[in-house]
Amino acid sequence: EAGVTQFPSHSVIEKGQTVTLRCDPISGHDNLYWYRRVMGKEIKFLLHFVKESKQDESGMPNNRFLAERTGGTYSTLKVQPAELEDSGVYFCASSQTPHWTSGGGTGELFFGEGSRLTVL
Amino acid sequence: QKEVEQDPGPLSVPEGAIVSLNCTYSNSAFQYFMWYRQYSRKGPELLMYTYSSGNKEDGRFTAQVDKSSKYISLFIRDSQPSDSATYLCAMRGMNTGFQKLVFGTGTRLLVSP
Repeated sequence: EAGVTQFPSHSVIEKGQTVTLRCDPISGHDNLYWYRRVMGKEIKFLLHFVKESKQDESGMPNNRFLAERTGGTYSTLKVQPAELEDSGVYFCASSQTPHWTSGGGTGELFFGEGSRLTVL
Repeated sequence: QKEVEQDPGPLSVPEGAIVSLNCTYSNSAFQYFMWYRQYSRKGPELLMYTYSSGNKEDGRFTAQVDKSSKYISLFIRDSQPSDSATYLCAMRGMNTGFQKLVFGTGTRLLVSP
């Protein structure tokens, strides 16, 4: 079974440019999450999709970040325009809905390898 | 103040040693505690998952949670060079959003042969 796939693995852009990161979750996982780790800091939650709906986007830093999950499958995270402080590793994770909510899964998060973003 | 504090290390030990990794936290609402292992250039991988206080053992790994002290630990017995990685603690509460995890910064562990 394929894991969570993220693309690109590394992107280098200049300040002011636009970057779009893509995440393909594990097939059948309704829950999709974006997390981010900036250098020297902890991994922080950005947002959570349930299928195509945004369940929680309280961690999104500002309106330069736009996440979408059309059709409830893959997700994209666009940063426009990028700033220096956006540099970091963006992780995507997916999970089944846990059994205690009648979803049949354990709720464990499976993470992708991350997309490293460098803004110069 | 960070919600979760974790010593970044690195922690260097010889093969076969017992390793102790720890995190402290400030939010008393946290009830679910996890340890993730992250190899270089890879994503975090769930190692242990504990609800509330107590101990949980899985092979060479033991997770302990002391909610009264807001302190969690991961013990690794008979450490192996393949255990060399960054270990991240993570936690969440019932009312902090499903799977909205709060992470520590991670402790880098180096196990030498």
